[in-house]
Amino acid sequence: QVRLQESGPGLVKPSETLSLSCTVSDYSINVGPFWGWIRQSPGKGLDWIGTISQSGTTYYSPSLRSRVTISVDSSRNQFSLKLTSVSAADTAVYFCVRDIGGGTADYWGQGTLVTVSS
Amino acid sequence: QSALTQPRSVSGSPGQSVTISCTGSSSDVGGYDHVAWYQQHPDKAPKLVIYDVTKRPSGVPDRFSGSKSGNTASLTISGLHPEDEADYHCASFAGGYVIFGGGTELTVL
Repeated sequence: QVRLQESGPGLVKPSETLSLSCTVSDYSINVGPFWGWIRQSPGKGLDWIGTISQSGTTYYSPSLRSRVTISVDSSRNQFSLKLTSVSAADTAVYFCVRDIGGGTADYWGQGTLVTVSS
Repeated sequence: QSALTQPRSVSGSPGQSVTISCTGSSSDVGGYDHVAWYQQHPDKAPKLVIYDVTKRPSGVPDRFSGSKSGNTASLTISGLHPEDEADYHCASFAGGYVIFGGGTELTVL
């Protein structure tokens, strides 16, 4: 069983950087194969942000690529998301996931709501 | 990239079957056998119910099945149970990234 838990600020000001971490439990992050982030704006559908492979290769949504960075900290069994220059449109519940390939997310964190507001 | 197209809502009575469609293009659904379906109950994280078009994760009832024809994938739920009432999201690999559908609300009457 793989457990994932998101953490980070629930409120971010416009134009600033959103930073979230995901702690993986009961499973080594080095096994992978991929770790990723998906978000869901209130009342809307799911929006894929990106993934990182166990070797550190990243894959990002074309619409967010210029603002997104996903990285892994193996020593803490965590991976993280940074999204720069946020606006109200980035307000969403952010989920961290394990991706088994082909974009398939088989384990999900519970999600954390991030609101962008001044 | 455009979102995959799903019906906004479908409904069925307990015991009946329902099918939810997910239409994309040759660049995503039609081009790869990496289509997944997720079930999401209110205020919960999504749960994987179908992946790679037709595969079922361990623990998912065999009432859930997936298929694909051309650029359209489908999720069929046979013998509806009340607990199947949820939102269903399709997702497709698109060559280096993933596209989701807008989600379909399933009501069990």
